[in-house]
Amino acid sequence: AQSVTQLDSQVPVFEEAPVELRCNYSSSVSVYLFWYVQYPNQGLQLLLKYLSGSTLVESINGFEAEFNKSQTSFHLRKPSVHISDTAEYFCAVSPMIKAAGNKLTFGGGTRVLVKP
Amino acid sequence: SQTIHQWPATLVQPVGSPLSLECTVEGTSNPNLYWYRQAAGRGLQLLFYSVGIGQISSEVPQNLSASRPQDRQFILSSKKLLLSDSGFYLCAWERADTQYFGPGTRLTVL
Repeated sequence: AQSVTQLDSQVPVFEEAPVELRCNYSSSVSVYLFWYVQYPNQGLQLLLKYLSGSTLVESINGFEAEFNKSQTSFHLRKPSVHISDTAEYFCAVSPMIKAAGNKLTFGGGTRVLVKP
Repeated sequence: SQTIHQWPATLVQPVGSPLSLECTVEGTSNPNLYWYRQAAGRGLQLLFYSVGIGQISSEVPQNLSASRPQDRQFILSSKKLLLSDSGFYLCAWERADTQYFGPGTRLTVL
């Protein structure tokens, strides 16, 4: 079984300031890692993912996350946030080896509020 | 390209009434499909998943059921809704070990 902990439930940040959203996971097997973003009353949008290869992954809108296997972490960062980044962010994992289906386990979410 | 649809977008139902939520995927064949519920204070919970027509796996015992009558259609149902069934229901499809979510259905049970 897997578990995901997002250490901050809410993160207020000023526009153009950096932000880091922390995510730690626990798993007895190797996992894939994901960050999803949810804007109010919308579904989840995939922000970025780590499946293999370089441990630093980037999204098209300036976010990046680094997979740290020894610390079992996948923290999300952005050097300069915009008002439009106000949303809830979910970290998730799924096992690399699956019997049937690909079960995502989510963290509790982090609400980011960008202030002008 | 692939798209995923859910309807209705919002629904208000009385306790004890039936429920049917529909999810359809376009642009792909034989996808794995998933139903999640997002309830206030309870995060995202996997309810059902399906790896093919007529194949349903339930993750949490509850008042809900799921069916997959066609390759790209996934239906979530209930015979009698409970107050605790209120929430935001999300359908997802999978490609290359990654899940992509639909726009969701907001269900309020009164």
